[in-house]
Amino acid sequence: GQQVMQIPQYQHVQEGEDFTTYCNSSTTLSNIQWYKQRPGGHPVFLIQLVKSGEVKKQKRLTFQFGEAKKNSSLHITATQTTDVGTYFCAGISGGYQKVTFGTGTKLQVIP
Amino acid sequence: DTGVSQDPRHKITKRGQNVTFRCDPISEHNRLYWYRQTLGQGPEFLTYFQNEAQLEKSRLLSDRFSAERPKGSFSTLEIQRTEQGDSAMYLCASSRWTGGTYYGYTFGSGTRLTVV
Repeated sequence: GQQVMQIPQYQHVQEGEDFTTYCNSSTTLSNIQWYKQRPGGHPVFLIQLVKSGEVKKQKRLTFQFGEAKKNSSLHITATQTTDVGTYFCAGISGGYQKVTFGTGTKLQVIP
Repeated sequence: DTGVSQDPRHKITKRGQNVTFRCDPISEHNRLYWYRQTLGQGPEFLTYFQNEAQLEKSRLLSDRFSAERPKGSFSTLEIQRTEQGDSAMYLCASSRWTGGTYYGYTFGSGTRLTVV
Protein backbone atom coordinates (compact mmCIF):
# COMPACT_ATOMS: atom_id res chain seq x y z
CA GLY A 1 0.00 0.00 0.00
CA GLN A 2 0.85 3.63 -0.18
CA GLN A 3 3.28 4.85 2.47
CA VAL A 4 4.21 8.43 3.21
CA MET A 5 7.17 9.21 5.43
CA GLN A 6 8.30 12.53 6.86
CA ILE A 7 11.57 13.70 8.32
CA PRO A 8 12.50 14.86 10.79
CA GLN A 9 10.08 13.44 13.34
CA TYR A 10 10.79 16.32 15.75
CA GLN A 11 12.42 19.71 15.34
CA HIS A 12 13.21 22.30 17.96
CA VAL A 13 14.18 25.75 16.68
CA GLN A 14 14.86 29.12 18.20
CA GLU A 15 12.28 31.71 17.30
CA GLY A 16 13.41 33.43 14.12
CA GLU A 17 15.19 30.39 12.71
CA ASP A 18 14.02 28.62 9.59
CA PHE A 19 12.40 25.18 9.54
CA THR A 20 11.98 22.55 6.84
CA THR A 21 10.13 19.24 6.80
CA TYR A 22 10.46 16.69 4.03
CA CYS A 23 7.87 14.24 2.80
CA ASN A 24 8.57 11.11 0.74
CA SER A 25 6.06 8.74 -0.81
CA SER A 26 6.57 5.11 -1.79
CA THR A 27 4.46 5.74 -4.90
CA THR A 28 4.05 8.55 -7.40
CA LEU A 29 1.46 11.01 -6.18
CA SER A 30 -1.21 12.81 -8.15
CA ASN A 31 -1.70 15.43 -5.44
CA ILE A 32 -0.15 16.31 -2.15
CA GLN A 33 -1.76 18.24 0.66
CA TRP A 34 -0.30 19.78 3.80
CA TYR A 35 -2.02 20.06 7.17
CA LYS A 36 -1.12 21.65 10.49
CA GLN A 37 -2.26 20.22 13.80
CA ARG A 38 -1.85 22.38 16.89
CA PRO A 39 -1.33 20.61 20.23
CA GLY A 40 -4.69 19.22 21.33
CA GLY A 41 -6.32 20.22 18.07
CA HIS A 42 -7.33 18.62 14.81
CA PRO A 43 -5.59 18.78 11.41
CA VAL A 44 -6.23 21.98 9.49
CA PHE A 45 -5.78 22.08 5.72
CA LEU A 46 -3.03 24.43 4.55
CA ILE A 47 -2.54 23.84 0.83
CA GLN A 48 -2.66 21.39 -2.08
CA LEU A 49 -0.02 20.91 -4.79
CA VAL A 50 -0.88 19.19 -8.05
CA LYS A 51 1.76 19.89 -10.69
CA SER A 52 5.24 18.43 -10.95
CA GLY A 53 7.79 20.93 -9.60
CA GLU A 54 5.07 23.22 -8.28
CA VAL A 55 5.99 25.83 -5.68
CA LYS A 56 3.42 27.72 -3.64
CA LYS A 57 3.85 30.33 -0.94
CA GLN A 58 1.69 31.39 1.96
CA LYS A 59 3.35 34.31 3.74
CA ARG A 60 6.36 32.72 5.49
CA LEU A 61 5.49 29.17 4.32
CA THR A 62 6.85 27.75 1.05
CA PHE A 63 5.60 24.43 -0.29
CA GLN A 64 7.28 22.43 -3.04
CA PHE A 65 6.23 19.35 -5.00
CA GLY A 66 9.06 17.31 -6.45
CA GLU A 67 9.63 16.87 -10.16
CA ALA A 68 8.94 13.14 -9.90
CA LYS A 69 5.86 13.80 -7.73
CA LYS A 70 7.15 11.46 -5.05
CA ASN A 71 8.34 14.03 -2.56
CA SER A 72 7.45 17.40 -1.15
CA SER A 73 8.73 19.90 1.35
CA LEU A 74 7.45 22.65 3.59
CA HIS A 75 9.79 25.48 4.55
CA ILE A 76 8.97 28.09 7.17
CA THR A 77 11.06 31.26 7.21
CA ALA A 78 11.73 33.05 10.50
CA THR A 79 9.62 30.82 12.72
CA GLN A 80 7.27 32.29 15.29
CA THR A 81 5.75 30.72 18.39
CA THR A 82 2.44 30.52 16.54
CA ASP A 83 4.05 28.01 14.15
CA VAL A 84 4.18 25.38 16.91
CA GLY A 85 2.40 22.16 15.99
CA THR A 86 2.69 19.03 13.93
CA TYR A 87 2.86 19.35 10.16
CA PHE A 88 1.52 16.50 8.08
CA CYS A 89 1.81 15.91 4.40
CA ALA A 90 -0.96 13.80 2.86
CA GLY A 91 -0.76 12.22 -0.56
CA ILE A 92 -3.19 10.87 -3.11
CA SER A 93 -1.98 8.31 -5.64
CA GLY A 94 -3.17 5.83 -8.19
CA GLY A 95 -6.65 4.55 -7.71
CA TYR A 96 -6.86 5.71 -4.12
CA GLN A 97 -9.62 8.20 -3.55
CA LYS A 98 -8.54 9.49 -0.17
CA VAL A 99 -5.38 11.02 1.26
CA THR A 100 -2.80 8.96 3.10
CA PHE A 101 -1.22 10.97 5.87
CA GLY A 102 2.48 11.07 6.52
CA THR A 103 4.09 10.42 9.86
CA GLY A 104 4.26 14.12 10.70
CA THR A 105 6.94 16.52 11.92
CA LYS A 106 6.44 18.06 15.32
CA LEU A 107 7.79 21.60 15.49
CA GLN A 108 8.64 23.29 18.75
CA VAL A 109 9.66 26.95 18.68
CA ILE A 110 11.72 28.23 21.58
CA PRO A 111 11.06 31.91 22.32
CA ASP B 1 -21.87 26.96 8.30
CA THR B 2 -20.35 25.80 11.58
CA GLY B 3 -17.83 23.36 10.13
CA VAL B 4 -17.67 19.64 10.87
CA SER B 5 -19.27 18.64 14.16
CA GLN B 6 -18.54 15.48 16.08
CA ASP B 7 -20.34 14.08 19.06
CA PRO B 8 -19.43 13.18 21.75
CA ARG B 9 -16.10 14.91 22.31
CA HIS B 10 -15.04 12.29 24.82
CA LYS B 11 -16.19 8.75 25.50
CA ILE B 12 -15.01 6.41 28.22
CA THR B 13 -16.30 2.87 27.95
CA LYS B 14 -15.63 -0.50 29.45
CA ARG B 15 -14.02 -3.19 27.36
CA GLY B 16 -16.64 -5.22 25.54
CA GLN B 17 -19.20 -2.42 25.31
CA ASN B 18 -20.46 -0.96 22.04
CA VAL B 19 -19.99 2.71 21.23
CA THR B 20 -21.37 4.95 18.50
CA PHE B 21 -20.02 8.27 17.31
CA ARG B 22 -21.75 10.86 15.16
CA CYS B 23 -20.37 13.25 12.56
CA ASP B 24 -22.19 16.14 10.90
CA PRO B 25 -20.20 17.31 7.88
CA ILE B 26 -20.29 20.64 6.08
CA SER B 27 -23.58 20.56 4.21
CA GLU B 28 -22.10 21.43 0.80
CA HIS B 29 -19.55 18.59 1.01
CA ASN B 30 -20.48 15.31 -0.64
CA ARG B 31 -17.59 13.25 0.73
CA LEU B 32 -17.17 12.19 4.34
CA TYR B 33 -14.18 10.41 5.83
CA TRP B 34 -13.39 8.68 9.09
CA TYR B 35 -9.83 8.56 10.37
CA ARG B 36 -8.29 7.32 13.60
CA GLN B 37 -5.33 8.96 15.27
CA THR B 38 -3.24 7.72 18.16
CA LEU B 39 -0.74 9.81 20.09
CA GLY B 40 2.26 10.84 18.02
CA GLN B 41 0.91 9.32 14.82
CA GLY B 42 -0.67 10.66 11.69
CA PRO B 43 -4.37 10.11 11.01
CA GLU B 44 -5.05 6.57 9.76
CA PHE B 45 -7.78 6.05 7.18
CA LEU B 46 -10.82 4.00 8.22
CA THR B 47 -13.53 4.53 5.62
CA TYR B 48 -15.18 7.11 3.40
CA PHE B 49 -18.52 7.91 1.79
CA GLN B 50 -19.59 9.75 -1.28
CA ASN B 51 -23.10 10.89 -0.55
CA GLU B 52 -24.69 7.82 1.05
CA ALA B 53 -22.46 5.23 -0.62
CA GLN B 54 -19.58 3.74 1.35
CA LEU B 55 -16.85 3.55 -1.29
CA GLU B 56 -13.90 2.17 0.64
CA LYS B 57 -13.14 0.56 3.96
CA SER B 58 -9.64 0.06 5.27
CA ARG B 59 -8.42 -3.52 5.28
CA LEU B 60 -7.03 -2.78 8.72
CA LEU B 61 -10.56 -2.34 10.01
CA SER B 62 -12.01 -5.34 11.75
CA ASP B 63 -15.61 -6.46 11.41
CA ARG B 64 -16.31 -4.83 14.76
CA PHE B 65 -16.28 -1.45 13.04
CA SER B 66 -19.20 -0.27 10.94
CA ALA B 67 -20.10 3.10 9.51
CA GLU B 68 -23.23 4.47 7.92
CA ARG B 69 -24.33 7.61 6.20
CA PRO B 70 -28.00 6.83 5.62
CA LYS B 71 -29.19 9.97 3.87
CA GLY B 72 -25.92 11.32 2.64
CA SER B 73 -25.77 13.85 5.44
CA PHE B 74 -24.56 12.88 8.92
CA SER B 75 -22.60 9.69 9.53
CA THR B 76 -22.22 7.30 12.43
CA LEU B 77 -19.28 5.08 13.32
CA GLU B 78 -20.01 2.13 15.58
CA ILE B 79 -17.46 -0.02 17.34
CA GLN B 80 -18.77 -3.27 18.76
CA ARG B 81 -17.16 -5.20 21.62
CA THR B 82 -14.57 -2.50 22.23
CA GLU B 83 -10.99 -3.46 23.06
CA GLN B 84 -8.29 -1.43 24.76
CA GLY B 85 -6.50 -1.13 21.44
CA ASP B 86 -9.46 0.85 20.12
CA SER B 87 -8.54 3.77 22.38
CA ALA B 88 -7.76 6.66 20.06
CA MET B 89 -9.04 9.92 18.65
CA TYR B 90 -11.65 9.29 15.96
CA LEU B 91 -11.65 12.09 13.42
CA CYS B 92 -14.31 12.85 10.87
CA ALA B 93 -13.61 15.01 7.84
CA SER B 94 -15.58 16.19 4.85
CA SER B 95 -14.67 17.59 1.47
CA ARG B 96 -16.07 18.44 -1.90
CA TRP B 97 -15.58 16.06 -4.78
CA THR B 98 -16.25 17.12 -8.37
CA GLY B 99 -15.08 14.16 -10.40
CA GLY B 100 -11.30 14.14 -10.62
CA THR B 101 -10.68 17.28 -8.59
CA TYR B 102 -9.51 16.86 -5.03
CA TYR B 103 -10.09 19.43 -2.32
CA GLY B 104 -8.69 19.80 1.14
CA TYR B 105 -10.40 18.11 4.03
CA THR B 106 -12.16 19.95 6.83
CA PHE B 107 -11.79 17.99 10.03
CA GLY B 108 -14.00 17.95 13.07
CA SER B 109 -12.60 18.24 16.58
CA GLY B 110 -12.75 14.47 16.99
CA THR B 111 -14.12 12.02 19.53
CA ARG B 112 -11.58 10.75 22.01
CA LEU B 113 -12.34 7.18 22.97
CA THR B 114 -10.86 5.59 26.07
CA VAL B 115 -11.52 1.89 26.65
CA VAL B 116 -10.91 0.78 30.22
